[in-house]
Amino acid sequence: DTEVTQTPKHLVMGMTNKKSLKCEQHMGHRAMYWYKQKAKKPPELMFVYSYEKLSINESVPSRFSPECPNSSLLNLHLHALQPEDSALYLCASSPHRTSGGAIPQETQYFGPGTRLLVL
Amino acid sequence: AQTVTQSQPEMSVQEAETVTLSCTYDTSESDYYLFWYKQPPSRQMILVIRQEAYKQQNATENRFSVNFQKAAKSFSLKISDSQLGDAAMYFCAYRSPLIQGAQKLVFGQGTRLTINP
Repeated sequence: DTEVTQTPKHLVMGMTNKKSLKCEQHMGHRAMYWYKQKAKKPPELMFVYSYEKLSINESVPSRFSPECPNSSLLNLHLHALQPEDSALYLCASSPHRTSGGAIPQETQYFGPGTRLLVL
Repeated sequence: AQTVTQSQPEMSVQEAETVTLSCTYDTSESDYYLFWYKQPPSRQMILVIRQEAYKQQNATENRFSVNFQKAAKSFSLKISDSQLGDAAMYFCAYRSPLIQGAQKLVFGQGTRLTINP
């Protein structure tokens, strides 16, 4: 099972709304990622969680707030967004080094994304 | 910093023909991973193929194969017997060294592939 799920599929929100995006994986992966993708552009990394701890924040504005409640779940809380934040938000996960010290698998598995429109 | 360049914004090929998508990258690392991802109109990112830099043998996955030239820092994707379902945006990606236990992917700008019936 290499499935990463994301909800909702589509989201329309006003600039004063508060909403959350959800990402879930049950592959036992210990690294999870949020990307933002504008049309006809490659994904841009926003945040990386490793073992439920935030390890990378790519200077993302504070109106985006990530949360990793457990190893299977990743949230992205949205507040006071701007119209230019409208994009596809992709979640991904990847395996990590095993307790035996084996080389970690190097592949990120992506979810289907949430299409966000900010009015 | 690592960079990935895809010099072909768009490509087209006749169904059943072969097409090659180009990718070059820049890095000072000796051990790394390279990937091709496919993003169809549904916009789900799908892994096509991956290559470990320490392996000299080119990776293959059914109709997909790569030509990995480490010295030239080139990583092209060959699609044989093109099918209509291959139409998508293709992204080349480089995996940077682990940072605090997590990997970071650097993507090229993408190549939009059209399959002509």
